[in-house]
Amino acid sequence: KQEVTQIPAALSVPEGENLVLNCSFTDSAIYNLQWFRQDPGKGLTSLLLIQSSQREQTSGRLNASLDKSSGRSTLYIAASQPGDSATYLCAVSRHNNAGNMLTFGGGTRLMVKP
Amino acid sequence: NAGVTQTPKFRILKIGQSMTLQCAQDMNHNYMYWYRQDPGMGLKLIYYSVGAGITDKGEVPNGYNVSRSTTEDFPLRLELAAPSQTSVYFCASSYSQVSSYNEQFFGPGTRLTVL
Repeated sequence: KQEVTQIPAALSVPEGENLVLNCSFTDSAIYNLQWFRQDPGKGLTSLLLIQSSQREQTSGRLNASLDKSSGRSTLYIAASQPGDSATYLCAVSRHNNAGNMLTFGGGTRLMVKP
Repeated sequence: NAGVTQTPKFRILKIGQSMTLQCAQDMNHNYMYWYRQDPGMGLKLIYYSVGAGITDKGEVPNGYNVSRSTTEDFPLRLELAAPSQTSVYFCASSYSQVSSYNEQFFGPGTRLTVL
């Protein structure tokens, strides 16, 4: 059974810092890995999707890497801003009859202080 | 496109009551999913559907039922609400192609409290 772990569970940093969020998974037979952002009381917004054949994806100040063999992904946020404060979830997918079924980690709650 | 919509946004139920959480998508996606998210936790899959008339259980299906009569709609039914079903419920949908770029799109969620 796939298990996804995110460390740390919570993180507080001053504005402007670069930071790394970690995600690990136990079964390397994945289709893709997605990073989501969740604001309090809101739904999920997809940030980046890395296909299993890829090593990284970039979007603006965000960079996500994937190492399937070691079961790890990192989300790098450059020059953090207070608006980046949110919970970040990673999810890995495996293909079955449900399309790409997602298994989620518990999330990292990020606070960026002005 | 409205994307994935969910109603209601909030609901308080008494133990033993029933209710239906509504989910609709206007992207012509064949695949639809229901997740629940408990406080401080990730999302867990309750039920999913690969097309109209086809549904199957996910990781935590007990206490729930679903139906899929149209491509657009995928309602989730709670028959006898229990405090353990207090959670935030998310509906999602995705394209039907088998692809490693098959992104899931999420609705805004329904916050349910059972007292």
